Amino acid sequence: GENVEQHPSTLSVQEGDSAVIKCTYSDSASNYFPWYKQELGKRPQLIIDIRSNVGEKKDQRIAVTLNKTAKHFSLHITETQPEDSAVYFCAASKGGSYIPTFGRGTSLIVHP
Amino acid sequence: DAGVTQSPTHLIKTRGQQVTLRCSPKSGHDTVSWYQQALGQGPQFIFQYYEEEERQRGNFPDRFSGHQFPNYSSELNVNALLLGDSALYLCASSRTSNYGYTFGSGTRLTVV
Repeated sequence: GENVEQHPSTLSVQEGDSAVIKCTYSDSASNYFPWYKQELGKRPQLIIDIRSNVGEKKDQRIAVTLNKTAKHFSLHITETQPEDSAVYFCAASKGGSYIPTFGRGTSLIVHP
Repeated sequence: DAGVTQSPTHLIKTRGQQVTLRCSPKSGHDTVSWYQQALGQGPQFIFQYYEEEERQRGNFPDRFSGHQFPNYSSELNVNALLLGDSALYLCASSRTSNYGYTFGSGTRLTVV
């Protein structure tokens, strides 16, 4: 089955800096890559996603890039703010099952 | 429009007991997936229900079973509880043949 590796496990940045979280996947048939943000004690919420037919997608301060050849994708957050502090999960899934396999999460800490 | 509703929010059980967790999907969603999230880990897929049948199952023992009702709501049952079953159990709903997941807030199960 699919295996998703996520790095780093913890990321500490100063407010205003950029943050990058990287994930790799194993199944070349995977074609959908969502990112979820989970604040302490709350539900995971979808913040951005990308499909395999595009290489990059942007939404305000958040962007995701995908390299299908290398089977890795990354989340980029610019101008970080304290409210960006949370655990971020990447995931990969493929058409037919639509069941994402999640990475282990990255705890992002943004210091004011 | 209500999102995904899970009950109860917290539960404490003794080893060997049985537990039932409940989930009501988001309006318009017909597919329910269950995940187990241990502390500091990403969500692990348990199973998915569609049209009242288990469509796919993750790597969980038969002690974990489920059900989906005609109104699309779902139950997760765990028999013979072990200490290692202590986790946050997340329900996610979606529309069949659609990638988008909406998560509930989860049920925090503690086995003592």
